[in-house]
Amino acid sequence: DAGVIQSPRHEVTEMGQEVTLRCKPISGHNSLFWYRQTMMRGLELLIYFNNNVPIDDSGMPEDRFSAKMPNASFSTLKIQPSEPRDSAVYFCASSLLGFLEQYFGPGTRLTVT
Amino acid sequence: KNQVEQSPQSLIILEGKNCTLQCNYTVSPFSNLRWYKQDTGRGPVSLTIMTFSENTKSNGRYTATLDADTKQSSLHITASQLSDSASYICVVSKTSGGSYIPTFGRGTSLIVHP
Repeated sequence: DAGVIQSPRHEVTEMGQEVTLRCKPISGHNSLFWYRQTMMRGLELLIYFNNNVPIDDSGMPEDRFSAKMPNASFSTLKIQPSEPRDSAVYFCASSLLGFLEQYFGPGTRLTVT
Repeated sequence: KNQVEQSPQSLIILEGKNCTLQCNYTVSPFSNLRWYKQDTGRGPVSLTIMTFSENTKSNGRYTATLDADTKQSSLHITASQLSDSASYICVVSKTSGGSYIPTFGRGTSLIVHP
């Protein structure tokens, strides 16, 4: 099994630009989570999906952030427009047991200049 | 407020030595506590998970303990190796509406020197 796949692994963009992060969950998993990790705040849950349906997006910081899961094998996290304070590592995780057993991807390191 | 506090923030030890990482929490109602290991540049990987009725669980050289009365957990690493250098994250989940809502600690950064 390839595990959770995220792309790109690194993204550097200028303030104001749109950024799209991508995630392919482990095949057969029915829950998908997006997290953000910074030195100051640690890991923060942004949003999670169950069977492709967004369940809780209360962690999404602002309207500039949006996430979609058009099918069971693909999800995107979009930031538009991006700001320097969005610089962080963004992780995607998937699970068969909700929060009880999550498998994390390698993360996307986003730098907004 | 549901919180998870980890200490120390960082730790440096020599290869072969033992160490203990601490996690205190106020999350309620408690469901489970998990320790993750996160290598640099990678996502977290689960080491152990404990429910209310468990007070110790081992995974190789890693042993986690849980005291649900005092709301404290520890992760003990025996005979440390260079590969143990990583961030260790404590995650405490509460039950809510049939789901488990996690609260993450900010992690302890461990460096093992040869």
